Amino acid sequence: DIQMTQSPSSLSASVGDRVTITCRASQSLSSYLNWYQQKPGEAPKLLMFGIDTLGSGVPSRFTGRGSGTDYTLIISSLQPEDSATYYCQQTYLTPLTFGGGTKVEIK
Amino acid sequence: QVQLEESGPGLVKPSQTLSLTCNVSGGSISSGGYYWSWIRQPAGKGLEWIGRIFASGSTNYNPSLKSRVTMSLDTSKNRFSLELNSVTAADTAVYWCARGASRAAIYFFDYWGQGIQVTVSS
Repeated sequence: DIQMTQSPSSLSASVGDRVTITCRASQSLSSYLNWYQQKPGEAPKLLMFGIDTLGSGVPSRFTGRGSGTDYTLIISSLQPEDSATYYCQQTYLTPLTFGGGTKVEIK
Repeated sequence: QVQLEESGPGLVKPSQTLSLTCNVSGGSISSGGYYWSWIRQPAGKGLEWIGRIFASGSTNYNPSLKSRVTMSLDTSKNRFSLELNSVTAADTAVYWCARGASRAAIYFFDYWGQGIQVTVSS
């Protein structure tokens, strides 16, 4: 199985801050890396697919970068509605696997 | 707008079989280019992919659950199902159904159900 390791596991930042979440895979993923946002009691929502393509309706303050085994989700200016847990996911090989999540809180 | 909705018992006894159904509206499960998945999340924990089924009926299961999982399609009712047998307390989780879609050969989950809490307890 491809292991997905996210860091940090949680963070607290202020509105307007730039936030960076990293995801490391145990092997190269080519471009098969997605990001999801999950709020409490809700289903995950697609944020980004193929490393850097925004999902439908996702604000442009979200950016995805990376290649090989290392990927990054950047929120350029944190907003109150961004308080959530973020998960990376690989679809390069089955079993499809997710990172452990990064909980983003607003100070 | 595609919508998915899970249904099934919220309480299952240990050693019994967990059976869930995902009803799909706004799109056909027989359409090519998609697959249909189950994902679960124990309380306070991360997401675990259980498996997927394609419109052809072919399946892929997570090896960690493969010996206990069966997925099937019911195209006449536009729904797909999950069976997980010999359940234990470790199978207690919120279960989601989701659609796998692709663009430029990159697959992602674009639509999810609302989730259903399943508790394994006697």
